[in-house]
Amino acid sequence: NAGVMQNPRHLVRRRGQEARLRCSPMKGHSHVYWYRQLPEEGLKFMVYLQKENIIDESGMPKERFSAEFPKEGPSILRIQQVVRGDSAAYFCASSPGQALGEAFFGQGTRLTVV
Amino acid sequence: AQKITQTQPGMFVQEKEAVTLDCTYDTSDPSYGLFWYKQPSSGEMIFLIYQGSYDQQNATEGRYSLNFQKARKSANLVISASQLGDSAMYFCAILRTGANSKLTFGKGITLSVRP
Repeated sequence: NAGVMQNPRHLVRRRGQEARLRCSPMKGHSHVYWYRQLPEEGLKFMVYLQKENIIDESGMPKERFSAEFPKEGPSILRIQQVVRGDSAAYFCASSPGQALGEAFFGQGTRLTVV
Repeated sequence: AQKITQTQPGMFVQEKEAVTLDCTYDTSDPSYGLFWYKQPSSGEMIFLIYQGSYDQQNATEGRYSLNFQKARKSANLVISASQLGDSAMYFCAILRTGANSKLTFGKGITLSVRP
């Protein structure tokens, strides 16, 4: 859904660099979800955030990955010291409440680690 | 834990014909929702249809309908009158309702519509 804006659409990083992925939710949405899609796979849940709070990060690797959703500005998914295995499409979804059925996905950020 | 199984190999259908994409699920939750998403080659995830576990009738949205068989834990997507633009990956997903809900996706099915 065009209402959820992710940027950049494509990101290339060398091994060891940092990747920062941004997600601006739809207007009025205060819940953000990040998913990762490996080639030929479905989407895997990573983290669920509300404004200034991480609600569920059970799907996010413990090291190198972090996420935030500040009071002002977009949600950021940060990957430090990227490795080739981090190459994937990262999708953000937003919803106005806890009922994820109302969530809409952004177009994704395709990260390529070279 | 919740699980979605999509095991069909790549599917092919003739334009204007109907096609069924299979989805089975596993959950211990009494209340849940089932979703289908379309992912064209451009990569975005497009919501198609939703079925609640307590809905009495099968969901329909235009050319999409969901054949929900709760006892068999299946939620097959039926696309009628296929169009060339229907060629895409199709993902089935399940959502446990309530707090901290998140969608669990299957691995997807590739559909190719032949002219």
